[in-house]
Amino acid sequence: NAGVTQTPKFQVLKTGQSMTLQCAQDMNHEYMSWYRQDPGMGLRLIHYSVGAGITDQGEVPNGYNVSRSTTEDFPLRLLSAAPSQTSVYFCASSYGGSHYNSPLHFGNGTRLTVT
Amino acid sequence: QKEVEQDPGPLSVPEGAIVSLNCTYSNSAFQYFMWYRQYSRKGPELLMYTYSSGNKEDGRFTAQVDKSSKYISLFIRDSQPSDSATYLCAIRGGGTSYGKLTFGQGTILTVHP
Repeated sequence: NAGVTQTPKFQVLKTGQSMTLQCAQDMNHEYMSWYRQDPGMGLRLIHYSVGAGITDQGEVPNGYNVSRSTTEDFPLRLLSAAPSQTSVYFCASSYGGSHYNSPLHFGNGTRLTVT
Repeated sequence: QKEVEQDPGPLSVPEGAIVSLNCTYSNSAFQYFMWYRQYSRKGPELLMYTYSSGNKEDGRFTAQVDKSSKYISLFIRDSQPSDSATYLCAIRGGGTSYGKLTFGQGTILTVHP
């Protein structure tokens, strides 16, 4: 059971470049989300999805796009990378709906540096 | 003011010590309280979960919630070097906000032999 898989593990971008961070889960979870983790800031929610075809913004959505065409995949797109987007990005998933106590399962992160 | 404030640490304790990790929150609508543990270069993993005031024990770990004071704690008894990690409190509201966790800043804990 792979759980939540994130690719790539590391990425270096130049300012203005675009890229997509991939996230896939094999647990048939309805809920998926993206967080970024910065020193002293904890984890901050970027975007989330409660099911295929449904996405919504979190706390820090600017500069990022998401889509959810399948239950399994939830890619995060950086439209025009900026140094402020240097961070560690985590994808997480859980059961939704009545499974209110379902824990979030996290991937192992993508470490992104924007120069 | 952040919705969730966590003592930043870092904490360094000897093996066998009792460790206390603490968070405060400001929104009384928060209903579910979690502690995640994160090892270096890994994603967070759920350690403890509770939704009521009081204590919840799981082995060497005790989660404590005081809703009247908006204060949550995690106690680790007989701490081990393998407990060295970053500990994050996480809180969420009820209803359809499942999964939308608000995290504390994290406390780095080192347990030395």
